Amino acid sequence: AQSVTQLDSHVSVSEGTPVLLRCNYSSSYSPSLFWYVQHPNKGLQLLLKYTSAATLVKGINGFEAEFKKSETSFHLTKPSAHMSDAAEYFCVVSDPGGFQKLVFGTGTRLLVSP
Amino acid sequence: DGGITQSPKYLFRKEGQNVTLSCEQNLNHDAMYWYRQDPGQGLRLIYYSQIVNDFQKGDIAEGYSVSREKKESFPLTVTSAQKNPTAFYLCASSSTGGGSGNTIYFGEGSWLTVV
Repeated sequence: AQSVTQLDSHVSVSEGTPVLLRCNYSSSYSPSLFWYVQHPNKGLQLLLKYTSAATLVKGINGFEAEFKKSETSFHLTKPSAHMSDAAEYFCVVSDPGGFQKLVFGTGTRLLVSP
Repeated sequence: DGGITQSPKYLFRKEGQNVTLSCEQNLNHDAMYWYRQDPGQGLRLIYYSQIVNDFQKGDIAEGYSVSREKKESFPLTVTSAQKNPTAFYLCASSSTGGGSGNTIYFGEGSWLTVV
């Protein structure tokens, strides 16, 4: 069975400082991995995804994530936080194969202070 | 613009009532999903449908029902059998085929509150 663990429920940073949101996964297969962002009372928006191509994945709004199989990690980073980055972030793993069933982490709330 | 439309945004349900949440997509996606989100938790899958006239239970289907009569529509009914329905409900869709890695797109969500 697949699972994903987001190691921090809350992360606080100052505007202009780096962001690191940590995610570890468990999968019996070669997984697809995603990061989604959710602003308050909104749906989820895809930031980036890994599907067994390049291990360093670049996404929207300056975010990127690195797939490390040996560490079973897929941490999300951004060099410089912006106030608009304050939101909930979800790490997600999916089964390979024909149907897309996602397993979500419990989320990390990113707080950005001026 | 292509996307997923959920309605209503806010819905109040009295004890013992059934309510239906609407989900429409114009992305020409074959697969559609309903998720439930509770505070401090990730999303949990209620039902999913890979093609028209076919759907399967997800992890928390008890107290819910769905239909898929049209490709673009996947309404969710929250029945009186659902004992704790207050939550944020998210509809999503994706294309199928080609294996994993297809992006799932989400609607803006619907808040359901029991009064």
